[in-house]
Amino acid sequence: DSGVTQTPKHLITATGQRVTLRCSPRSGDLSVYWYQQSLDQGLQFLIQYYNGEERAKGNILERFSAQQFPDLHSELNLSSLELGDSALYFCASSEPGPLHFGNGTRLTVT
Amino acid sequence: QKEVEQDPGPLSVPEGAIVSLNCTYSNSAFQYFMWYRQYSRKGPELLMYTYSSGNKEDGRFTAQVDKSSKYISLFIRDSQPSDSATYLCAMSAKGNTPLVFGKGTRLSVIA
Repeated sequence: DSGVTQTPKHLITATGQRVTLRCSPRSGDLSVYWYQQSLDQGLQFLIQYYNGEERAKGNILERFSAQQFPDLHSELNLSSLELGDSALYFCASSEPGPLHFGNGTRLTVT
Repeated sequence: QKEVEQDPGPLSVPEGAIVSLNCTYSNSAFQYFMWYRQYSRKGPELLMYTYSSGNKEDGRFTAQVDKSSKYISLFIRDSQPSDSATYLCAMSAKGNTPLVFGKGTRLSVIA
């Protein structure tokens, strides 16, 4: 168990809808990262927060947004969902140091 | 050219074999190198973490980094069926920065 908790485990929703994915980092970890994993693209970095502040942005669509709260948990908001957004979404945390991943949220857009 | 290249496999070996997994990269600024193992329906699990060039050993696992060739390897000795998983290499230029991942190599160890 990595100590990183992601909820929900599965999410099925329709195109055009909006969803929120939640992540609780390991105790003491200040950095939170969001990654998207699909079969053809592999693990793609979306966004990083460090102690509440946005630190780095990757291939995150404008329809997606994230934030990190004072208690260090993070949320990833996905809106105007399209079929192509179906993927595994992983959260990872670090102290800094190496990243430790949660077990992901599987999003299916129908 | 992708920043990190990794042969997707699949790779199938008999139990007890030595497994060699490799990645090449193009960004000479990368200094932190990691190997993750991912079982089906699970998140990536950190296996090895190395800084700069050289070797690191942990039990049956050995990680090697050759920065001059931009090439990293993971060796698994005495492979077990429980090693069957997807192995992902990952790297970054600085600490506390996002990792760039290879696409992963799927490994099957046959009893």
